This record gives sequence, structure tokens and C-alpha cells, in this order.
Amino acid sequence: DQQVKQNSPSLSVQEGRISILNCDYTNSMFDYFLWYKKYPAEGPTFLISISSIKDKNEDGRFTVFLNKSAKHLSLHIVPSQPGDSAVYFCAASEVRGSTLGRLYFGRGTQLTVWP
Amino acid sequence: DTAVSQTPKYLVTQMGNDKSIKCEQNLGHDTMYWYKQDSKKFLKIMFSYNNKELIINETVPNRFSPKSPDKAHLNLHINSLELGDSAVYFCASSQTRTSATNEKLFFGSGTQLSVL
Repeated sequence: DQQVKQNSPSLSVQEGRISILNCDYTNSMFDYFLWYKKYPAEGPTFLISISSIKDKNEDGRFTVFLNKSAKHLSLHIVPSQPGDSAVYFCAASEVRGSTLGRLYFGRGTQLTVWP
Repeated sequence: DTAVSQTPKYLVTQMGNDKSIKCEQNLGHDTMYWYKQDSKKFLKIMFSYNNKELIINETVPNRFSPKSPDKAHLNLHINSLELGDSAVYFCASSQTRTSATNEKLFFGSGTQLSVL
């Protein structure tokens, strides 16, 4: 009963192009969403987040879009760089519940950016 | 000066053994966690401690026992290891906030546990 789903296990993009990573969730109580990036043999590192009161959050080359009605979010990376090659995890949580730090993660999408 | 450090990085052991994984954070955070990444790559929370108090205790076999001697440390002890315990275990920490945004978790680099 995965509440956060990343249906694409991998994505391959040419350097300079846009990478779009998708994430769906099922729990309508989720109100905060995060993207983490993970390199091999390292732990996930925080990338960008968005609250449910917004539909877009931008940080440099990274933009996260949230469509609450569709229970869908996406991460756009423009332009993509080879150093962006990593596994990207989508995560969600309920801020207002007593779920301190309980993040629900997707399975991750392996992004490969080739020159 | 790693922010969240866990040891060992790799742990290979026989079924039935007891082992511990240690975690320390130097970020001054008040909450620490253990997450497990299974063979299907899902990251799932196991435990969380806030100021040494157990806050989250997921449906985890009681062979798993977390210990938090102080705010900066959260160790994981596993008794009678089973084949299915093989996974990557991540320690994490965060600082509790009261704003509308949730805490960002800072993860350690993981401990790859292999039970033979």
C-alpha cells in the first residue's frame, strides 16, 4: 500500500535538455512534499520542497510543481547536467498530524544525464 | 566533520547473531530517525526519537531496539538477525519546527547489512 509512487524507475536525458521526474500520491492528508537526491553509497540529500498551499516552487535549475487535484507532483531540472545523474526520491508528509518526521518515500527514479 | 555519521558502513554477519549500528549527528538537531531501504528500494521509517523520547515506532519486530543515550546519538541494536533483515539502514536527523513547513531530514550515508 505505497502511498507515494514513482512509476518510472529510470529516465535518460541529454545534457542541456529538461528532465521531468514524476510522482503520484494517494493520501489526501499529505500537505508537504519533498524531493531528495541520492548518489551511490551516500544518503539521500534534500533538494527542494513544496507546501500544499503552493503549486510551484523554484530553486535555481530545479522547479517542483504540485497538482493537488490530481495528487501529482513533478520535478523539473533545466538545463540538465551530468552531475545531476542520481536517484531522485519523492517524499510526502502530513505537517499537522502527529507524524513528526514521518516521510513516505517513493521507490526513486534513476536519472542519467548523458553528454 | 560529517553532519550525520553512522558506523559501520558495511556489516556482514551470520543468521542468529546480534549486531549494532551507531549513529551520531553534530547538527544540534533534536530529532533522530532510523529508516530502512529494502530490496525493492523503498525507504521506510522504523523509529524516531525526539529529545531522547521515542516518538515513532513503526511495525518493526521487537528484535530491533533503538537506544538514544543523548540527543546527538541514536543507535540501533538488532537481535537474532534473520535473512530478511538484509537491507540498507539510514540514520537521519532533523530540527523540530512549529511552522507550516515540515522538517527537512538530513541522512547518514547508510549501513549495508547483509545477513548470510
